[in-house]
Amino acid sequence: QVQLVQSGAEVKKPGASVKVSCKASGYSFNNYYITWVRQAPGQGLEWMGWIRSYNGDKKYAQKFQDRVTMTTDTSTTTAYMELLSLTSDDTAVYSCARGLNWLDSWGQGTLVTVSS
Amino acid sequence: QSALTQPASISASPGQSITISCTGTSSDVGGYNYVSWYQQHPGKAPKLIIFAVGDRPSGVSHRFSGSKSGNTASLTISGLQPEDEADYYCSSYTTNTTVVFGGGTKLTVL
Repeated sequence: QVQLVQSGAEVKKPGASVKVSCKASGYSFNNYYITWVRQAPGQGLEWMGWIRSYNGDKKYAQKFQDRVTMTTDTSTTTAYMELLSLTSDDTAVYSCARGLNWLDSWGQGTLVTVSS
Repeated sequence: QSALTQPASISASPGQSITISCTGTSSDVGGYNYVSWYQQHPGKAPKLIIFAVGDRPSGVSHRFSGSKSGNTASLTISGLQPEDEADYYCSSYTTNTTVVFGGGTKLTVL
């Protein structure tokens, strides 16, 4: 079955960066996009961007354009999302999901807490 | 890209039907048949329940249906059950090759 397993929770100080991983299994990794979504505590879903797994084509939300990097490693079927210059507003659950126009499988989410 | 507009909350009784609206623009909802809907229970990952405006993934109850008219998409849940109580989010592909979510609707089953 399709599975997306993410790395564990992180606590970061303001100004630091975080890199979240998303290990995919149970499907042909190269045939699908990976989308990253975040959800701040008590808030709604926020689209961050997508990456085409096999060739790295990507599109980021304008809000994150200058401080997010999404990558994939096809040899390990793993996607990564790195966010720089963290502030308290970046405290959220970060999730990877399979797909672009619709997201049919989701990771379990990674809580990133930004606190001094 | 502004978020799609959804009602913040809806409440109804078991057995009733409800419709959640999702309003965008001709650059997103109105321009593409790539509207999807997600159900999220507290502390859980979102679950895809409708894709491509009105298609249901395998295993999703037929009580969930989707439609679109102009710039507004709708999710209808018929025969409400207690387990339908959750947050619901719409999303749409946009002309910028990005995706936008709605603000979410909290459904309470009284």
